[in-house]
Amino acid sequence: AQTVTQSQPEMSVQEAETVTLSCTYDTSESNYYLFWYKQPPSRQMILVIRQEAYKQQNATENRFSVNFQKAAKSFSLKISDSQLGDTAMYFCAFMKHLFNNAGNMLTFGGGTRLMVKP
Amino acid sequence: DSGVTQTPKHLITATGQRVTLRCSPRSGDLSVYWYQQSLDQGLQFLIQYYNGEERAKGNILERFSAQQFPDLHSELNLSSLELGDSALYFCASSAYRQPDSNYGYTFGSGTRLTVV
Repeated sequence: AQTVTQSQPEMSVQEAETVTLSCTYDTSESNYYLFWYKQPPSRQMILVIRQEAYKQQNATENRFSVNFQKAAKSFSLKISDSQLGDTAMYFCAFMKHLFNNAGNMLTFGGGTRLMVKP
Repeated sequence: DSGVTQTPKHLITATGQRVTLRCSPRSGDLSVYWYQQSLDQGLQFLIQYYNGEERAKGNILERFSAQQFPDLHSELNLSSLELGDSALYFCASSAYRQPDSNYGYTFGSGTRLTVV
């Protein structure tokens, strides 16, 4: 079974600054995917960024980037130029590789509450 | 609108009662997943259905059951409700996609269940 750990329950950052959220995971799988989801006060689950384990290049989506260290089983999220709208819960999630059309479940970490201060 | 529809959005019921949560997946998605999110915690996987058949089961209580119908909508039935069952219940759907996507995983907006 897979486990995902987010060791920072809460973090804060000043607007326009950079913040990094940590995530570690444990798995015996060699092929998998990692995700960061954002959950604002509306409670909607919003995909922020994803990373395929077979790709060495770190994923980037605008102000969001990851630092994927496969050997260390670490997957951190860096938010640059933080904005007030980034205030939310952030969840790291793991999915085993898809071998069929049925899809796979996500295993989530406990979340990090991020507050962006003006 | 994500394309995944969950009803009702809010539900308040008493202990011992039974409720049914409904989910309509995104058009064309064959897989439906149910997740439970207790207060400010991560989402816990409950169960997955694929094209009408149970595909995977997580930490789902025996008091809970689900099914997926021929039209692919799914229902999660919660019975003998306890205070600890109060949570946000998410449905998600997926279909196989090419690698350059989020693997078609789309969440609904959730049903907030309050047991009093």
